[in-house]
Amino acid sequence: EAGVTQSPTHLIKTRGQQVTLRCSPISGHTSVYWYQQALGLGLQFLLWYDEGEERNRGNFPPRFSGRQFPNYSSELNVNALELEDSALYLCASSLDSGAGTGELFFGEGSRLTVL
Amino acid sequence: AQTVTQSQPEMSVQEAETVTLSCTYDTSESDYYLFWYKQPPSRQMILVIRQEAYKQQNATENRFSVNFQKAAKSFSLKISDSQLGDAAMYFCAFLEYGNKLVFGAGTILRVKS
Repeated sequence: EAGVTQSPTHLIKTRGQQVTLRCSPISGHTSVYWYQQALGLGLQFLLWYDEGEERNRGNFPPRFSGRQFPNYSSELNVNALELEDSALYLCASSLDSGAGTGELFFGEGSRLTVL
Repeated sequence: AQTVTQSQPEMSVQEAETVTLSCTYDTSESDYYLFWYKQPPSRQMILVIRQEAYKQQNATENRFSVNFQKAAKSFSLKISDSQLGDAAMYFCAFLEYGNKLVFGAGTILRVKS
């Protein structure tokens, strides 16, 4: 069974540009989560999507946005890139939206470097 | 908002020995979930162990066990018979309302042969 897949794996952008990161969850998983892992800051919750709807959002500016498609895949968009957006962006999926299990299955991440 | 603190940035253990990673958290909730996740170098993060706060019994998964002290808001991870494959960054996490996992800063575990 394929795990969570993310693309691209690495990318370099310059300040002010826009980037789109993509995530395909494990087959059958309806919830997708995005986390930012910046150096020295640990993992910060960005977004949670379930059944095509944004269910929760972390403390990030509006230039971070995303969506979930009918096939449950997801995109994370970051506009007007800033240097501090350089990070590993991790996507995770879970079988359902229930808060009880909490087991997330993570992808390998997209490493974004902003110059 | 909940906070999770891992006070050990880095730990080392000899192969076959036992190591304990510390984690404390802050919450006003009475029922919640706590997790330890493992992130090997350049590999996917995976769930190691999960604890439900209303359960008195400490969770155990093979060589991994937790010491959950609810009153002290402490949730440490014990790895027994450490193996080279245990080398990774370990994150303690708290499940907050809205399916938001709040992670600690992580502890790098090095295993010496």
